[in-house]
Amino acid sequence: DTGVSQDPRHKITKRGQNVTFRCDPISEHNRLYWYRQTLGQGPEFLTYFQNEAQLEKSRLLSDRFSAERPKGSFSTLEIQRTEQGDSAMYLCASSPTQGGQPQHFGDGTRLSIL
Amino acid sequence: AQSVTQLDSQVPVFEEAPVELRCNYSSSVSVYLFWYVQYPNQGLQLLLKYLSGSTLVKGINGFEAEFNKSQTSFHLRKPSVHISDTAEYFCAVIPNSGYSTLTFGKGTMLLVSP
Repeated sequence: DTGVSQDPRHKITKRGQNVTFRCDPISEHNRLYWYRQTLGQGPEFLTYFQNEAQLEKSRLLSDRFSAERPKGSFSTLEIQRTEQGDSAMYLCASSPTQGGQPQHFGDGTRLSIL
Repeated sequence: AQSVTQLDSQVPVFEEAPVELRCNYSSSVSVYLFWYVQYPNQGLQLLLKYLSGSTLVKGINGFEAEFNKSQTSFHLRKPSVHISDTAEYFCAVIPNSGYSTLTFGKGTMLLVSP
């Protein structure tokens, strides 16, 4: 169990640029989740996958956001035309399919928009 | 829909003193409950979980929590805290149907001083 890995750990970019984050889940986990965490708040759900299928998307996930998990393994989260309000920590988590199994989190990607 | 309320945004305590971090939830369906800890610039680490059975659950680092269905609470306790317990603590719930995602509280910052 190597844990959930996220890359990069930090990303600084100018407003209007596109950014892409990668998440590698624990290898035997079918489910993969993306959350966003702003200062002083708990993580807020963005979207989740079971294998390669995207099963649920939050209303927080505007049309500038897109997530993929093409082969049911790693996932990418892309933000197009970044805005100041996108500055946050983006957390990835994974879990087995069985109900009640806890989600295991990566260390996150901290995005700063200049 | 579910909601989680963590009643204290910050709890200051002296080393070796006991502590209780409060969590209340609201849900129209049965839920599983979790406590996570987050150290600075890191992801979330699972402390403990309640799925069913005994309402007193023990977790890592000497923490325990008690599920109270009638009061819809899941308070976290530790009899004697250490400086190293200084961190942000999040309570979270997920419907036990198996097809949904975690809803987090806003977190409680535990500040342990010598």
